[in-house]
Amino acid sequence: DAGVTQSPTHLIKTRGQQVTLRCSPKSGHDTVSWYQQALGQGPQFIFQYYEEEERQRGNFPDRFSGHQFPNYSSELNVNALLLGDSALYLCASSLTTGANVLTFGAGSRLTVL
Amino acid sequence: KQEVTQIPAALSVPEGENLVLNCSFTDSAIYNLQWFRQDPGKGLTSLLLIQSSQREQTSGRLNASLDKSSGRSTLYIAASQPGDSATYLCAVGDYKLSFGAGTTVTVRA
Repeated sequence: DAGVTQSPTHLIKTRGQQVTLRCSPKSGHDTVSWYQQALGQGPQFIFQYYEEEERQRGNFPDRFSGHQFPNYSSELNVNALLLGDSALYLCASSLTTGANVLTFGAGSRLTVL
Repeated sequence: KQEVTQIPAALSVPEGENLVLNCSFTDSAIYNLQWFRQDPGKGLTSLLLIQSSQREQTSGRLNASLDKSSGRSTLYIAASQPGDSATYLCAVGDYKLSFGAGTTVTVRA
Protein backbone atom coordinates (compact mmCIF):
# COMPACT_ATOMS: atom_id res chain seq x y z
CA ASP A 1 0.00 0.00 0.00
CA ALA A 2 1.74 3.15 -1.23
CA GLY A 3 1.87 5.98 1.26
CA VAL A 4 2.11 9.65 0.40
CA THR A 5 4.47 10.34 -2.48
CA GLN A 6 6.09 13.73 -3.04
CA SER A 7 8.22 15.04 -5.87
CA PRO A 8 10.80 16.30 -6.37
CA THR A 9 12.73 15.32 -3.25
CA HIS A 10 15.25 18.13 -3.56
CA LEU A 11 15.43 21.25 -5.69
CA ILE A 12 17.39 24.47 -5.87
CA LYS A 13 15.94 27.74 -7.17
CA THR A 14 17.02 31.35 -7.24
CA ARG A 15 15.21 34.35 -5.81
CA GLY A 16 12.26 35.48 -7.92
CA GLN A 17 11.71 32.13 -9.59
CA GLN A 18 8.61 29.97 -9.30
CA VAL A 19 8.37 26.39 -8.07
CA THR A 20 5.77 23.61 -8.26
CA LEU A 21 5.76 20.72 -5.81
CA ARG A 22 3.63 17.62 -6.29
CA CYS A 23 1.91 15.19 -3.94
CA SER A 24 0.07 11.91 -4.43
CA PRO A 25 -2.02 10.99 -1.39
CA LYS A 26 -2.23 7.62 0.27
CA SER A 27 -4.65 5.26 -1.43
CA GLY A 28 -8.18 5.86 -0.15
CA HIS A 29 -7.48 9.35 1.16
CA ASP A 30 -9.37 12.33 -0.25
CA THR A 31 -7.85 15.30 1.58
CA VAL A 32 -4.41 16.85 1.14
CA SER A 33 -2.69 19.34 3.43
CA TRP A 34 0.58 21.18 2.89
CA TYR A 35 3.04 22.24 5.59
CA GLN A 36 6.25 24.24 5.56
CA GLN A 37 9.01 23.22 7.96
CA ALA A 38 11.95 25.58 8.36
CA LEU A 39 15.16 24.20 9.79
CA GLY A 40 14.87 23.51 13.53
CA GLN A 41 11.18 24.37 13.69
CA GLY A 42 7.91 22.50 13.69
CA PRO A 43 5.83 22.36 10.51
CA GLN A 44 3.54 25.30 9.77
CA PHE A 45 0.16 24.72 8.11
CA ILE A 46 -0.09 26.28 4.64
CA PHE A 47 -3.48 25.07 3.37
CA GLN A 48 -5.72 22.06 2.87
CA TYR A 49 -7.60 20.84 -0.19
CA TYR A 50 -10.74 18.76 -0.26
CA GLU A 51 -12.98 18.14 -3.27
CA GLU A 52 -10.64 20.31 -5.36
CA GLU A 53 -11.31 23.33 -3.16
CA GLU A 54 -9.09 25.11 -0.65
CA ARG A 55 -10.83 24.43 2.65
CA GLN A 56 -8.58 26.15 5.13
CA ARG A 57 -5.51 28.37 4.89
CA GLY A 58 -2.75 29.23 7.31
CA ASN A 59 -0.89 32.51 7.62
CA PHE A 60 0.90 32.41 4.26
CA PRO A 61 0.91 35.08 1.52
CA ASP A 62 -0.87 34.73 -1.79
CA ARG A 63 2.44 33.76 -3.39
CA PHE A 64 1.59 30.32 -2.09
CA SER A 65 -1.16 28.66 -4.07
CA GLY A 66 -2.33 25.15 -4.66
CA HIS A 67 -4.51 22.85 -6.60
CA GLN A 68 -6.17 19.49 -6.14
CA PHE A 69 -6.98 17.25 -9.08
CA PRO A 70 -9.93 14.86 -9.50
CA ASN A 71 -7.67 11.93 -8.56
CA TYR A 72 -6.98 13.74 -5.23
CA SER A 73 -3.33 14.50 -6.05
CA SER A 74 -2.20 18.03 -5.34
CA GLU A 75 0.29 20.70 -6.29
CA LEU A 76 1.81 23.51 -4.28
CA ASN A 77 3.00 26.53 -6.23
CA VAL A 78 5.19 29.27 -4.84
CA ASN A 79 5.82 32.41 -6.91
CA ALA A 80 8.47 35.11 -6.57
CA LEU A 81 10.64 32.95 -4.33
CA LEU A 82 12.38 34.55 -1.36
CA LEU A 83 15.38 33.27 0.57
CA GLY A 84 13.03 32.65 3.49
CA ASP A 85 11.05 30.15 1.46
CA SER A 86 13.90 27.68 1.86
CA ALA A 87 12.38 24.81 3.83
CA LEU A 88 11.11 21.25 3.81
CA TYR A 89 7.63 21.17 2.31
CA LEU A 90 5.52 18.35 3.63
CA CYS A 91 2.36 16.96 2.16
CA ALA A 92 -0.09 15.06 4.34
CA SER A 93 -3.16 13.14 3.29
CA SER A 94 -6.17 12.01 5.26
CA LEU A 95 -9.73 10.81 4.96
CA THR A 96 -12.15 13.60 5.70
CA THR A 97 -14.40 11.28 7.70
CA GLY A 98 -13.24 9.52 10.84
CA ALA A 99 -10.41 10.43 13.21
CA ASN A 100 -8.50 12.43 10.59
CA VAL A 101 -5.17 10.72 11.09
CA LEU A 102 -2.66 12.41 8.82
CA THR A 103 -0.15 10.43 6.80
CA PHE A 104 2.87 12.50 5.84
CA GLY A 105 5.15 12.19 2.85
CA ALA A 106 8.93 12.42 3.02
CA GLY A 107 8.87 16.02 1.87
CA SER A 108 10.42 18.20 -0.80
CA ARG A 109 13.52 20.10 0.28
CA LEU A 110 13.57 23.54 -1.39
CA THR A 111 16.68 25.69 -1.31
CA VAL A 112 16.42 29.27 -2.57
CA LEU A 113 19.72 30.98 -3.44
CA LYS B 1 -4.18 31.12 18.27
CA GLN B 2 -2.97 27.74 19.51
CA GLU B 3 0.61 27.76 20.82
CA VAL B 4 2.40 24.44 21.34
CA THR B 5 5.60 24.21 23.38
CA GLN B 6 7.92 21.28 23.84
CA ILE B 7 10.49 21.13 26.60
CA PRO B 8 13.32 20.22 26.60
CA ALA B 9 14.51 21.03 23.09
CA ALA B 10 17.09 18.26 23.29
CA LEU B 11 17.67 15.23 25.47
CA SER B 12 20.50 12.69 25.69
CA VAL B 13 20.13 9.47 27.67
CA PRO B 14 21.96 6.14 27.97
CA GLU B 15 20.40 3.10 26.40
CA GLY B 16 17.78 1.44 28.59
CA GLU B 17 16.68 4.60 30.36
CA ASN B 18 13.03 5.63 30.15
CA LEU B 19 12.26 8.79 28.19
CA VAL B 20 9.75 11.45 29.22
CA LEU B 21 8.86 14.10 26.65
CA ASN B 22 6.60 17.00 27.46
CA CYS B 23 4.19 19.01 25.36
CA SER B 24 2.03 21.94 26.45
CA PHE B 25 -0.66 23.82 24.55
CA THR B 26 -2.53 27.04 25.25
CA ASP B 27 -6.06 26.26 24.00
CA SER B 28 -7.63 23.33 25.83
CA ALA B 29 -10.46 23.09 23.29
CA ILE B 30 -8.42 20.75 21.16
CA TYR B 31 -9.74 18.14 18.80
CA ASN B 32 -6.88 15.63 18.64
CA LEU B 33 -3.34 15.46 19.92
CA GLN B 34 -0.77 13.53 17.95
CA TRP B 35 2.81 12.56 18.55
CA PHE B 36 5.12 12.20 15.56
CA ARG B 37 8.66 11.03 15.02
CA GLN B 38 10.95 12.69 12.49
CA ASP B 39 14.33 11.35 11.43
CA PRO B 40 16.87 13.89 10.08
CA GLY B 41 15.78 15.34 6.74
CA LYS B 42 12.77 13.03 6.57
CA GLY B 43 9.02 13.29 6.81
CA LEU B 44 6.87 12.63 9.85
CA THR B 45 5.78 9.25 11.16
CA SER B 46 2.66 9.21 13.32
CA LEU B 47 3.26 7.43 16.63
CA LEU B 48 0.12 7.95 18.65
CA LEU B 49 -3.18 9.79 18.27
CA ILE B 50 -5.21 10.80 21.33
CA GLN B 51 -8.70 12.02 20.62
CA SER B 52 -10.05 14.79 22.84
CA SER B 53 -12.31 12.37 24.74
CA GLN B 54 -9.41 10.06 25.59
CA ARG B 55 -6.84 10.30 28.39
CA GLU B 56 -4.08 8.13 26.98
CA GLN B 57 -2.94 5.84 24.20
CA THR B 58 -0.39 3.04 24.18
CA SER B 59 1.58 1.32 21.46
CA GLY B 60 4.32 -1.09 22.42
CA ARG B 61 6.95 0.78 24.44
CA LEU B 62 5.19 4.10 23.85
CA ASN B 63 2.53 5.63 26.06
CA ALA B 64 1.05 9.10 25.70
CA SER B 65 -1.19 10.86 28.17
CA LEU B 66 -3.42 13.87 27.69
CA ASP B 67 -4.63 16.32 30.34
CA LYS B 68 -6.75 18.93 28.58
CA SER B 69 -7.51 20.87 31.75
CA SER B 70 -3.83 21.65 32.31
CA GLY B 71 -2.97 21.82 28.60
CA ARG B 72 -0.37 19.08 28.77
CA SER B 73 0.59 15.84 27.13
CA THR B 74 3.45 13.52 27.97
CA LEU B 75 5.06 10.87 25.80
CA TYR B 76 6.77 8.04 27.64
CA ILE B 77 9.19 5.72 25.87
CA ALA B 78 10.18 2.73 27.96
CA ALA B 79 13.62 1.12 27.86
CA SER B 80 15.06 3.43 25.21
CA GLN B 81 17.17 2.07 22.38
CA PRO B 82 19.65 3.79 20.01
CA GLY B 83 17.04 3.39 17.26
CA ASP B 84 14.77 5.73 19.22
CA SER B 85 17.12 8.62 18.43
CA ALA B 86 15.05 11.15 16.46
CA THR B 87 13.06 14.34 16.87
CA TYR B 88 9.67 13.92 18.48
CA LEU B 89 6.95 16.42 17.65
CA CYS B 90 3.56 16.89 19.20
CA ALA B 91 0.70 18.51 17.33
CA VAL B 92 -2.83 19.54 18.23
CA GLY B 93 -5.84 20.23 16.06
CA ASP B 94 -8.19 18.54 13.66
CA TYR B 95 -7.27 18.92 10.01
CA LYS B 96 -5.14 22.00 10.73
CA LEU B 97 -2.38 20.90 13.06
CA SER B 98 -0.36 23.23 15.26
CA PHE B 99 3.07 21.75 15.97
CA GLY B 100 5.64 22.26 18.64
CA ALA B 101 9.28 22.71 17.63
CA GLY B 102 10.10 19.19 18.81
CA THR B 103 12.43 17.45 21.24
CA THR B 104 15.56 15.94 19.72
CA VAL B 105 16.41 12.69 21.48
CA THR B 106 19.78 10.96 21.43
CA VAL B 107 20.03 7.51 22.98
CA ARG B 108 23.66 6.58 23.68
CA ALA B 109 24.70 2.95 23.27
